[in-house]
Amino acid sequence: NAGVTQTPKFQVLKTGQSMTLQCAQDMNHNSMYWYRQDPGMGLRLIYYSASEGTTDKGEVPNGYNVSRLNKREFSLRLESAAPSQTSVYFCASSEWRGRGNTEAFFGQGTRLTVV
Amino acid sequence: AQSVTQLGSHVSVSEGALVLLRCNYSSSVPPYLFWYVQYPNQGLQLLLKYTSAATLVKGINGFEAEFKKSETSFHLTKPSAHMSDAAEYFCAVTNNAGNMLTFGGGTRLMVKP
Repeated sequence: NAGVTQTPKFQVLKTGQSMTLQCAQDMNHNSMYWYRQDPGMGLRLIYYSASEGTTDKGEVPNGYNVSRLNKREFSLRLESAAPSQTSVYFCASSEWRGRGNTEAFFGQGTRLTVV
Repeated sequence: AQSVTQLGSHVSVSEGALVLLRCNYSSSVPPYLFWYVQYPNQGLQLLLKYTSAATLVKGINGFEAEFKKSETSFHLTKPSAHMSDAAEYFCAVTNNAGNMLTFGGGTRLMVKP
């Protein structure tokens, strides 16, 4: 059971380049998320998708776009990378069963450096 | 909006000592609260969660947390630290629809031999 799979694990970009981070989950979850993790700031939500066909902005959406391709896949795109986007990116998925009965499962992360 | 604050970005304890990691929440409605752990170069995994069924919640690896509404707190404890507990710990709260998880800034736990 793979859970949440992110690709790539590492990436170095030059300022202005574009790239797409891929995420897939095999748990049939409705909700999927993209977070970025920076030292001392915890995880900050970039975008989330509550269900297939819907996406919403999180806390730090500027500079990013997302696509919920189907129930399994949720991609994050950087159209024109900036050094401020150097971070570790995590994809997660979850299912809400009411009254707090939920658990988010995380991928292993993508370490992105923009030079 | 719901939020959590973790007091202390770094906590250092000796092996065998009590572990106490602090988390306070802000919520206008009864919250659903979580503690996650992140080992080096890995993703996050769930330690425990509060779902209003019981105020004292037991999780994996001997950790537990107590929900105190009067103090708006959900502190994480473990009676005796082990070297393998060294990691970063995150407190989190979810909204009522369960589709947005908000994290605190994290606390890095160091365990000295």
